[in-house]
Parts: sequence; C-alpha cells; structure tokens
Amino acid sequence: EGQVVESGGGLVRPGGSLRLSCSASGFTFSTHTINWVRQAPGKGLEWVSSISSSSYYIDYADLVKGRFSISRDNAQNSASLQMNNLRVEDTALYYCVPWAGGYRDGFDIWGQGTMVTVSS
Amino acid sequence: SSVLTQPPSVSVAPGQTATFTCAGNKIGNKFVHWYRQKAGQAPALVVSADSDRPSGLPERVSVSNSGNTATLSFSHVEAGDEADYYCQVRDSISDRPVFGGGTKLTVL
Repeated sequence: EGQVVESGGGLVRPGGSLRLSCSASGFTFSTHTINWVRQAPGKGLEWVSSISSSSYYIDYADLVKGRFSISRDNAQNSASLQMNNLRVEDTALYYCVPWAGGYRDGFDIWGQGTMVTVSS
Repeated sequence: SSVLTQPPSVSVAPGQTATFTCAGNKIGNKFVHWYRQKAGQAPALVVSADSDRPSGLPERVSVSNSGNTATLSFSHVEAGDEADYYCQVRDSISDRPVFGGGTKLTVL
C-alpha cells in the first residue's frame, strides 16, 4: 500500500525559509505527479504546488508563486518544497499528495502532514 | 478558475441519510472526488470519479453529478461518520486541483 511521510516543518519567523520533504514508498513514485496541499488551522484544503512525474511540468498557486519551489528525485522516491519569504498566512499543515495522473483518479494516498508555523 | 461551494455544516440523526452538495459551474462535466477528514486525521478518499469507491468503503455511499451540483450521500449514518467532507475537481483551464470549502457532518 502506498505511503508518504512528510517532514521538515517547524516554527519560523516571517520572512524566513523552510524546506519540506516527502518520502514515498509502496507505489511507483516515478509515474506519479506530486502535489503539495495545505490546510490552515481550522480551515479547508488548499492546493499549493504540483510537479509532474518527469519534473517537466511545475505549477504553483498564485499565493506562493515566486516564493516556493517544488522539486523531486525519482531515484530517491522523494520530493521537496522549498519555502522562502514565509508569511503568517502560510501557517498550515502541509500534505504531500501523489496523483496517478488519470482524471478519474482522486488523491488516494495522504500522509500525516508536516506543520509549518510562521510567527514572530 | 473553478470555485466549488459546499454548505458549511450538515446535521442528521443516527440511521438517517446525510447528503453533501458541491456546487460549481458545469461541475456535471467534470470528475468529482470526495474526501472525508475525521478530527485530527489526514483526509481520506471516499469516492473518486463520481462513482468509483476505493476498496473497503461501505456500499451505503452513493453519488450523483449533473448540471451545476454534485452530491454525496451516506445512508444509515452513525457516530463514526462525523467528519469534514470535501469535494474536489480539476480546473478545466489551469488543470489545477480545486477543493470545496468542506462540510462538517454532525450526527445528532
């Protein structure tokens, strides 16, 4: 069964940086698009960024474009989200969510997420 | 970009049917996925592509999708069904995933 484990979250001051990591197992990582989805405390789910299986296609939500950078290493079955110039409103639980790529496919693998808190 | 609207809360008595709606422009032309998130847990896929159930999901779940509204229904609701329920589609222009705001189910 597929599994992802997110790490790298923590407390950071506004303007600071963090690098989130996602370690995958139990599925063919190299064929899946990787998404980062976040959830602010008490709020709903919000898509943040995606990277295609070959890293050819990368996309960001407007709120994080220019500040966040997504990457992956298929040889290591891992992905990362580099977050710079963090804002208070980036405070959230960040999930790494693989996607098989078919439009009929929902997000069937979720980790427990890693918490990012941006506060002075 | 797509906007999905879900009512913030639904309350039902045990044994009744809980119905969750997800409104969006021409959502009937899209594949809709539904997730359940229990308190303190990560989201979990309930139904994908309007009707495909991941293994292990009860048959008391049903879905429909037409026009501007998609619907998820849980029959014979029990206390363990209390959770937040989210719908999700892919935006037809940007191809980005879009989530509804979620509906909190309270079992009375």
